[in-house]
Amino acid sequence: DGGITQSPKYLFRKEGQNVTLSCEQNLNHDAMYWYRQDPGQGLRLIYYSQIVNDFQKGDIAEGYSVSREKKESFPLTVTSAQKNPTAFYLCASSISGTVSHEQYFGPGTRLTVT
Amino acid sequence: KNEVEQSPQNLTAQEGEFITINCSYSVGISALHWLQQHPGGGIVSLFMLSSGKKKHGRLIATINIQEKHSSLHITASHPRDSAVYICATQLQGAQKLVFGQGTRLTINP
Repeated sequence: DGGITQSPKYLFRKEGQNVTLSCEQNLNHDAMYWYRQDPGQGLRLIYYSQIVNDFQKGDIAEGYSVSREKKESFPLTVTSAQKNPTAFYLCASSISGTVSHEQYFGPGTRLTVT
Repeated sequence: KNEVEQSPQNLTAQEGEFITINCSYSVGISALHWLQQHPGGGIVSLFMLSSGKKKHGRLIATINIQEKHSSLHITASHPRDSAVYICATQLQGAQKLVFGQGTRLTINP
């Protein structure tokens, strides 16, 4: 079955700790994205990657870091510099290119930092 | 700046009713996406359209490029349609999406 997996579904951390959220896809997509969702707000783009070993900041990249060493994987690290890390994090992937393509979303990780 | 506005924010209806959710955006786009988010949080893509109308089962999506407006319709609504429906736009040459805040739909039996 092709798709995107995110793990874990729920994650709890103490303030001041870095935490890494996993995102893996087997859709052979070049482009991958990380979004953050807060109650009552639309999804906001954190980072995206159009190709392996390359990534760009989205609208709210401060306090986050990513890597894209493999096509299938795009992990997101929430650092201690992120002021309000508690949120629902969604990973997505799509075919890359100049033509619009549908994005496929993972099930999400709900991060709670106390 | 590309802004996406959805209305209504919340909608409650009885089973069987015809549902319309609206989406307006501020700049020219290459495509508009309608997404569905269930209570567990996972998001499913319903439609991607750049002109005209698309239909899938009881769901219909339309877009008016000149008016920068799209609608999502659900015919013969059912409680399992209860979810958050999200509109997102995509600019020409970009894969990034800009999202509306979502419409929470509740269908009562």
